[in-house]
Amino acid sequence: DVKVTQSSRYLVKRTGEKVFLECVQDMDHENMFWYRQDPGLGLRLIYFSYDVKMKEKGDIPEGYSVSREKKERFSLILESASTNQTSMYLCASSLLRYFGSFEETQYFGPGTRLLVL
Amino acid sequence: QQPVQSPQAVILREGEDAVINCSSSKALYSVHWYRQKHGEAPVFLMILLKGGEQKGHEKISASFNEKKQQSSLYLTASQLSYSGTYFCGTDNQAGTALIFGKGTTLSVSS
Repeated sequence: DVKVTQSSRYLVKRTGEKVFLECVQDMDHENMFWYRQDPGLGLRLIYFSYDVKMKEKGDIPEGYSVSREKKERFSLILESASTNQTSMYLCASSLLRYFGSFEETQYFGPGTRLLVL
Repeated sequence: QQPVQSPQAVILREGEDAVINCSSSKALYSVHWYRQKHGEAPVFLMILLKGGEQKGHEKISASFNEKKQQSSLYLTASQLSYSGTYFCGTDNQAGTALIFGKGTTLSVSS
């Protein structure tokens, strides 16, 4: 089974703090993704990466950065946390860059619920 | 760019059927359906590849109309365990990530 783990389930931070959210997958997947989930808005893509040291902006990258130094690990960084970044953050991974078969989908981690005070 | 899901919410009794729709303004290569229970990660249900293919998974099946850029999820004889929020994720074969709809909340009661 694919396993995607996230470093924390719940996190409370202060405005202005630098926040690191870590994600690790154990299936040698090429692609990794960060989404945030807010009520009524669904899952919105922040950043994704299809290779080590590669990154692509998603729909809402402002206020975030990412790092992928190793294939299995993808970090989301909030440079200076703000209250409007309070949200559920979901990491996902997929085997290949293109979805071409029934096994090639995105697998999600359990999520990190971040509260910025 | 975000696919549109309808309806936003469905309330059912056990044994009733439901259909959830997902439509996109862009050409699609595949559609992925997920179910998320409260406080948990989205769980993959099925993937539909272009070609108008219909797939089934227990009493949950789905279709994909590539021409209309739409997919529908069919839940028959619903069970309590079907409750949750259903998301469709769309892929336009651009080598990017799935883009998800806002979700449809399904509540099944006994």
